[in-house]
Amino acid sequence: DTEVTQTPKHLVMGMTNKKSLKCEQHMGHRAMYWYKQKAKKPPELMFVYSYEKLSINESVPSRFSPECPNSSLLNLHLHALQPEDSALYLCASSQGGDQPQHFGDGTRLSIL
Amino acid sequence: QKEVEQDPGPLSVPEGAIVSLNCTYSNSAFQYFMWYRQYSRKGPELLMYTYSSGNKEDGRFTAQVDKSSKYISLFIRDSQPSDSATYLCAMRRAGGTSYGKLTFGQGTILTVHP
Repeated sequence: DTEVTQTPKHLVMGMTNKKSLKCEQHMGHRAMYWYKQKAKKPPELMFVYSYEKLSINESVPSRFSPECPNSSLLNLHLHALQPEDSALYLCASSQGGDQPQHFGDGTRLSIL
Repeated sequence: QKEVEQDPGPLSVPEGAIVSLNCTYSNSAFQYFMWYRQYSRKGPELLMYTYSSGNKEDGRFTAQVDKSSKYISLFIRDSQPSDSATYLCAMRRAGGTSYGKLTFGQGTILTVHP
């Protein structure tokens, strides 16, 4: 079991739906990340939060909206997604930007 | 040219073999080097984390960094079927505006057969 917990594990949604992905860590880490991973590809960074503030947005479309309510929680709000957004969405955390990142097991998202 | 190159394999070895996984990179600003293991339908699991050049050993795993050649390796001794997974190398610059940004290799698919 990983120390970064992601829910739900699987999500199927239509293109007009609104849903949220959740990530939680209790390691006291101050940096949290969202990644997108397509099959047989490495993870691609989407967002970085440092001390609950958004520090990096890798030009992600606005239909993905991150939120960091506190130092332990990270959400990714989804709205009007496209079929090409189907992927594994991974959350990671680290003590700081120069410390190793620990990943959760991801949410497998399918867009109908 | 990608910043990090990793042979995607697949690599198939018999149980007990020594496995060598490699990545080359072009950006001399990379200072932190990592190896992750990813099982099917799971997230990447951190195996090794090294800073700058040198060797680091942890059980059956040895990570090696050669900054002069821009080359990193992961050796797995006495490989087991449970080592069958995708292995990702990752690296990062130190500080600055690249805070926390990892650059991954493409991943090598490894199968260890009994």
